[in-house]
Amino acid sequence: AQSVTQPDIHITVSEGASLELRCNYSYGATPYLFWYVQSPGQGLQLLLKYFSGDTLVQGIKGFEAEFKRSQSSFNLRKPSVHWSDAAEYFCAVYGGATNKLIFGTGTLLAVQP
Amino acid sequence: DAGVTQSPTHLIKTRGQQVTLRCSPKSGHDTVSWYQQALGQGPQFIFQYYEEEERQRGNFPDRFSGHQFPNYSSELNVNALLLGDSALYLCASSPVEGRITDTQYFGPGTRLTVL
Repeated sequence: AQSVTQPDIHITVSEGASLELRCNYSYGATPYLFWYVQSPGQGLQLLLKYFSGDTLVQGIKGFEAEFKRSQSSFNLRKPSVHWSDAAEYFCAVYGGATNKLIFGTGTLLAVQP
Repeated sequence: DAGVTQSPTHLIKTRGQQVTLRCSPKSGHDTVSWYQQALGQGPQFIFQYYEEEERQRGNFPDRFSGHQFPNYSSELNVNALLLGDSALYLCASSPVEGRITDTQYFGPGTRLTVL
């Protein structure tokens, strides 16, 4: 069965510092992977997605993610974090024939001034 | 262009009651999916509607049911509410039935509290 693991429940970084949020997936075939962000009281906004091709994917708000098949990972990165990036981040994998998104439990990002 | 809209924003019910949540998809989208997001958890897939029929279903009991109307809007109904049904309910729409390459757009959600 497909699954997504986000090992870090909560991360705190200083404004201007770099960021990496971890995501590991379990999926038998080529995965379709997503990162969503959820701000308080808001719905989920898509940051980026990977379907095939270049394993380094660029997204909105200066985020990027790298697909590493050998490590079953799809980590999200940003070179310089802004205070407005404080939110909860969810990694998701498309559930194949079931046509549904399977989400991880999320990583809550706090940004220190 | 309005995105996905959901109503109401918040709802408080008591155990045993029934609730109906509503969703209007993004313009041009005809597929609606519903997710339940419990506190501190990621969203869990409930079901997906396309052409007014339930096409896919997650691991949720029959107390959870839905409907899709000809204008593609959708309702989620939950009967015999339990305390554990307290959650944020998210609606997502996409342009074509479950096509993998189509992004799902999410609404802001309905916060349901069961007392």
